Amino acid sequence: GAGVSQSPSNKVTEKGKDVELRCDPISGHTALYWYRQSLGQGLEFLIYFQGNSAPDKSGLPSDRFSAERTGGSVSTLTIQRTQQEDSAVYLCASSSRAQYDEQYFGPGTRLTVT
Amino acid sequence: AQTVTQSQPEMSVQEAETVTLSCTYDTSESDYYLFWYKQPPSRQMILVIRQEAYKQQNATENRFSVNFQKAAKSFSLKISDSQLGDAAMYFCAFCDFGNEKLTFGTGTRLTIIP
Repeated sequence: GAGVSQSPSNKVTEKGKDVELRCDPISGHTALYWYRQSLGQGLEFLIYFQGNSAPDKSGLPSDRFSAERTGGSVSTLTIQRTQQEDSAVYLCASSSRAQYDEQYFGPGTRLTVT
Repeated sequence: AQTVTQSQPEMSVQEAETVTLSCTYDTSESDYYLFWYKQPPSRQMILVIRQEAYKQQNATENRFSVNFQKAAKSFSLKISDSQLGDAAMYFCAFCDFGNEKLTFGTGTRLTIIP
């Protein structure tokens, strides 16, 4: 009965380093979403998974961003050569079927690039 | 492209009073879904209420109700009998049928005055 979990909760990294953010969705949820929330902004869609496939990667801001999902469960968002503008809260959500079903959000990972 | 506009960055209301948060959106689609999400300081996004565009009846969830004006592309949230626990950021979001991404507004910070 656990909800969506994300790790780490907070991450501070130096500019130019690579980071990996992890999301554990609710068991049995086939759809998984990544969003980015910058200070003073709403949530920005990054990528969507249905199972292990990513039909929509249109929100990834650059080729430094990539994501994968394995076993239809855990997902990892990787940011290579981090830049200061990557600083944000990265939120993960999962749902049982489609976008218009309720999305259950994790607590997010706050990324700070110094 | 769809856009969601929340014109009230901050709102405040006396405890036990009623407050209305506004949201407008722009789309050329006819079938879509609208949502209000609440984000308390814990960062956990929580679905407050959902409205299907094809339904004329306004959605209600206990103290929360919406005023959905499809022609005007308006989707406001009314909170009745405001409680201290209602204090949070409130985000309006849009999803068109068959799409797999939520488009969010920039949010309204609601403060409850005891």
